[in-house]
Amino acid sequence: DTGVSQDPRHKITKRGQNVTFRCDPISEHNRLYWYRQTLGQGPEFLTYFQNEAQLEKSRLLSDRFSAERPKGSFSTLEIQRTEQGDSAMYLCASSVGYEQYFGPGTRLTVT
Amino acid sequence: QKEVEQDPGPLSVPEGAIVSLNCTYSNSAFQYFMWYRQYSRKGPELLMYTYSSGNKEDGRFTAQVDKSSKYISLFIRDSQPSDSATYLCAMTTGNQFYFGTGTSLTVIP
Repeated sequence: DTGVSQDPRHKITKRGQNVTFRCDPISEHNRLYWYRQTLGQGPEFLTYFQNEAQLEKSRLLSDRFSAERPKGSFSTLEIQRTEQGDSAMYLCASSVGYEQYFGPGTRLTVT
Repeated sequence: QKEVEQDPGPLSVPEGAIVSLNCTYSNSAFQYFMWYRQYSRKGPELLMYTYSSGNKEDGRFTAQVDKSSKYISLFIRDSQPSDSATYLCAMTTGNQFYFGTGTSLTVIP
């Protein structure tokens, strides 16, 4: 399967812990996006990479969130000192142009 | 005001019906418009992608963009039970994408 993959698919953590998610985009895609989605809402943009450069970051994004794409291939999203409000589905998408292809998401539950 | 407004539904139609899904937006700089389908607990799946005003057809799906009214639509002809899902509109000026809240559709056999 050459689609976007995300790991883990599910993560349960206690409030205050740090978590890290991984996204592997479609291999020839140079653009990579992270989104957060809560129940009954559409995906909310978090950040965008073109190759290894982080070109856009939502102003709503807390400084507890950080993302990297060290070699322009896979990306990681880290959330420090998790809060219950961080519980959501975290989606990764990749593209060449503007047609984004999404991964299955990582569902985070903060207890 | 939200960048993108979408009626959340839910929408319930009989099999074979024509479905019309709509979004409005406020930013006249949006140029690229997408429709996604999302099944429960899955990532969104790209259905249609259009640039600027006009119509685009792909099988049973037609996407329509009216930039003068800041209004986009997705039509589904001959709807099938397998079309039951949440439909999300999305749009962008370039780097950031804005999604609607999604419309939940159920097609009843």
